[in-house]
Amino acid sequence: AQKVTQAQTEISVVEKEDVTLDCVYETRDTTYYLFWYKQPPSGELVFLIRRNSFDEQNEISGRYSWNFQKSTSSFNFTITASQVVDSAVYFCALSAYSGNTPLVFGKGTRLSVIA
Amino acid sequence: NAGVTQTPKFQVLKTGQSMTLQCAQDMNHEYMSWYRQDPGMGLRLIHYSVGAGITDQGEVPNGYNVSRSTTEDFPLRLLSAAPSQTSVYFCASSLQEDQPQHFGDGTRLSIL
Repeated sequence: AQKVTQAQTEISVVEKEDVTLDCVYETRDTTYYLFWYKQPPSGELVFLIRRNSFDEQNEISGRYSWNFQKSTSSFNFTITASQVVDSAVYFCALSAYSGNTPLVFGKGTRLSVIA
Repeated sequence: NAGVTQTPKFQVLKTGQSMTLQCAQDMNHEYMSWYRQDPGMGLRLIHYSVGAGITDQGEVPNGYNVSRSTTEDFPLRLLSAAPSQTSVYFCASSLQEDQPQHFGDGTRLSIL
């Protein structure tokens, strides 16, 4: 069975601080995909990134970066120089490639960036 | 380009009533799913479908039915609404289950 754990329920930072959101996953599959989604206060769910299990390269997109480590089953998300617009709930998700395996979400981390 | 369309956006029901939440996508996606979002619980999968005519249960299927007669539509039926089904419901679609999901805007459902 697949499982995603986001241990941080809520995080509050002051604007311009860096912040890392943790994601730990469990799966027996060797091929799987990891995702991050953002849910701003307006409520929609926005896709941020998809990473497959064979690609452990870190990814950077502007102020966002992701650190994937298979050795610790983690896929952490860092926001550099946080801004108020980053305030949202962030979800990590896992999809194993064993056929017809649905996407499993973590419970989310609520990030509040204070001006 | 509509993407994933959910209707209605808001609904209030009385306990015991039935209703159908509609979900339609125009991207020819094979994979569709329904989630419910409750405070502190994240997104929990109710039912999903990997193609027309194929559906399967997710983590919390009790009290809900689905069908997938076409690629485009994936309605979610509440057979006899209960207060525990008060939630925000999201429909999502993707090319395959390991591809990024496209989400609808959600349906906020209250059961009195």
